[in-house]
Order: sequence, then structure tokens, then C-alpha cells
Amino acid sequence: SAVISQKPSRDICQRGTSLTIQCQVDSQVTMMFWYRQQPGQSLTLIATANQGSEATYESGFVIDKFPISRPNLTFSTLTVSNMSPEDSSIYLCSVESDGSGNTIYFGEGSWLTVV
Amino acid sequence: AQSVAQPEDQVNVAEGNPLTVKCTYSVSGNPYLFWYVQYPNRGLQFLLKYITGDNLVKGSYGFEAEFNKSQTSFHLKKPSALVSDSALYFCAVRDNQGAGKLIFGQGTTLQVKP
Repeated sequence: SAVISQKPSRDICQRGTSLTIQCQVDSQVTMMFWYRQQPGQSLTLIATANQGSEATYESGFVIDKFPISRPNLTFSTLTVSNMSPEDSSIYLCSVESDGSGNTIYFGEGSWLTVV
Repeated sequence: AQSVAQPEDQVNVAEGNPLTVKCTYSVSGNPYLFWYVQYPNRGLQFLLKYITGDNLVKGSYGFEAEFNKSQTSFHLKKPSALVSDSALYFCAVRDNQGAGKLIFGQGTTLQVKP
């Protein structure tokens, strides 16, 4: 299995500011994924982060709003830029653990409230 | 297009009774199917998966799921529900277009009453 740590776990942010969320995995993984879960909703994939290349964004998500870094095989960051109340969500990091038989694991999430 | 449907927003069951949370899917090719549970104020916890092999998959906390290819279903089951099973359950299918990407159902809230 993979153990995924996210920071911050929870934050209250001012409108117009940006916040960077960190995701640390206890093993090397090829791909990391960032999801958003809006209040009362299901999960939607924001982007896929590969080490050494730019992230691949899903329809409706853009790099200027959600810049992502992937400096090595165990770490990634997601920044939520110029936040508005609509960005209030849980942001979850996910990995497909190499050698785990295609099991996909999630972190505990970062719960952001924008006021 | 690939999709997952959970037809019930909420399932209510009495403690000790069997429970079923329904999931149907639509994918091209062979599906990789997953169930996750989300407790209040927590992230997603992996319960079980179907990749290939036996259609009855056993997972964590006494849960199991049955893959039915003809009905394109992957229902989550437990023989005897516990109050502590009350949570939000998500069914998901792996996107054939990208390794590791998941497409989620809308979620089903399970309420187990004493």
C-alpha cells in the first residue's frame, strides 16, 4: 500500500489569495493525481502530475488557476490561485502505487474554505 | 464515454441486516472497478477492487462486491451491517485513457441505524 500525507489538512483562506497544497508519498510512484471534491459532490480529476514533465489538465481546469509541481517521484504540490468562494472544496492527492496491482490510494485531503 | 452510476443517493439499513450499495458502469474494454469509503471529515479509504479473476471480491471491514459483466454492475455488499459502517461510499472505474485516473459515481450515503 501507499501512505499519502497532505498539508495543510484544513485551511480558511481569504478571497483573492493563493494556497499551495503539498502531497508526500512514502514510496516512489510514476504518476500522481489531484482531485477536487466540491461540497456534497463526487470527485473530479483536476490533473495528472508526472515527474519531469508538465502536468496534464482535465477539461475545465487550467494551469494558471491550478499550477502543479512534481519535483521528484514522491512529492507534488497543487496551488489554488486567486481563490474565490467557489474554490471551497476538498483537494485530494492520489497515486497508483507501483507494484500494488493497480490499487489507487488517496490522501486524507486538504479542506479549503474561501471567505 | 466511460461512466459510473450509483442510482441511490442514500441507503438505510438496520444494524445486523445485510446491505447492498449499487453501482453500474459503462466502459469500453475490460473494467477496473473500485469501491472507496469516505467517513465524515476524512479522505477516501480503499475498500476493494476488481481487476480480473473471481467475480466475488472481498475487501476491508467485511465488505465484498460482485462483478457482473452481463449486467455491467459492481454492487457492494456486507452480510451484517454495523452502525460504524455509516459513511459515504463511492464506486469508481479506471479510465482506459489514462493509467491511474478514476471516474467516480456520485456517491451513496449509507445510514445504518441501531
